[in-house]
Order: sequence, then C-alpha cells, then structure tokens
Amino acid sequence: GAGVSQTPSNKVTEKGKYVELRCDPISGHTALYWYRQSLGQGPEFLIYFQGTGAADDSGLPNDRFFAVRPEGSVSTLKIQRTERGDSAVYLCASSPRPGANTGELFFGEGSRLTVL
Amino acid sequence: DQQVKQNSPSLSVQEGRISILNCDYTNSMFDYFLWYKKYPAEGPTFLISISSIKDKNEDGRFTVFLNKSAKHLSLHIVPSQPGDSAVYFCAASALGSQGNLIFGKGTKLSVKP
Repeated sequence: GAGVSQTPSNKVTEKGKYVELRCDPISGHTALYWYRQSLGQGPEFLIYFQGTGAADDSGLPNDRFFAVRPEGSVSTLKIQRTERGDSAVYLCASSPRPGANTGELFFGEGSRLTVL
Repeated sequence: DQQVKQNSPSLSVQEGRISILNCDYTNSMFDYFLWYKKYPAEGPTFLISISSIKDKNEDGRFTVFLNKSAKHLSLHIVPSQPGDSAVYFCAASALGSQGNLIFGKGTKLSVKP
C-alpha cells in the first residue's frame, strides 16, 4: 500500500529482552517520527528524523531506547532490556517535509508491544 | 503536567446534531493546533488544523475555533454522522518544535443513528 507500514503489528516479549520495531514511511517523505501511545493516553513524542539524522530525540525516555534511519527511508526503533512499563502501541508517522506546521503527519497503524 | 487537556473522555450525540469537542492548553508558546481522528486498530489521521493567527478554520462539516486568551479550542462537527464515531485527539505544537506534537488524551465520540 501507499501508507506508512509498521512491523510487527504485535509483539509479545519477556522482561529484559531486546526488541526492534520497523517503520517504512511513505515514499518520498523526508521526515519520520516515532510516538508511543500508552493505554488511555494520547500519543507521546519520542524522536524525529529529517533524512538520516535524528533532529530531535528529546522524547526518548532513557538510554534503553534508540532509533536509526541509516538510508533516510526505513527506520528501526530499538528497545534494550525491556520493562513492563514499555508496553504500549508504538506509532510511526511520516511527513513530506519537516515540521508539524505542514498540518499533517501520516501515521501507521502502530506496533503493539507487550512486555510480560 | 499535561500541557494539552481534553477533559471529556467521551461524548454521545444523536445523528444529525452538532458534536462539540473541547480542548484546553497551558503552554502559551503553542502556535499551531491540530485535530486527529482515530478508529480502533488504526493510526490517527489528520482532520483539521488552525494557526494561532486565526480564530476559526472550516472544512466541510468540521470547524475548529481557537480562543487564545482562554487557551481553548473546540472542534465542531455538524451534522454529525455515525461514521464520525471515533476517538478525537487535540494536538499542539510550538514554533520551531518540528514534529514534536503534544497530544491530549482524546475524546471518544459516539454518534447514534
């Protein structure tokens, strides 16, 4: 499809394990964002890429979280030593140009992470 | 400390009537506001936005009103349709913040036939 694609759609893991979540943005979109949505909350900003570089990673909760976008397209969010509190839906979004003032971020369906 | 607040977790409206969803914010640096709509098991989709230099923006059945002095915005849907039933998120951004949108907790709208 032409939308933002996220895999896996569901991931169940055990506390302490390592997890990777993948995002394939809309072709040609230079800006890519990761958000996290916990139960009963709105999406919470994690990190923003412009091209290959992280332009703003101020939302990453701690150093267990890391994200890359090596070729300026697909991005991977990596979580080390997972904790139960990491359980959430991880949303990826892309935009044709940087800045939320474009009016639109195009979100994927999310990857639901459950840490047991 | 929530910077964007949607104090009504849910709202039920009869088909054909007006739906009014409210949002309050605390950060005076916010200069751009957006509404997103989310169906179950889908990502949020952009609905409508407004810049702080305006007090109203209209797009078909959807109108957003901004009251800067009260730090309040509202989304009006008229007439409401059953397909509008979804969770609506208010979001805000500050100048220069790029993609760092601050979202409210959402309001679940149910439009009954």
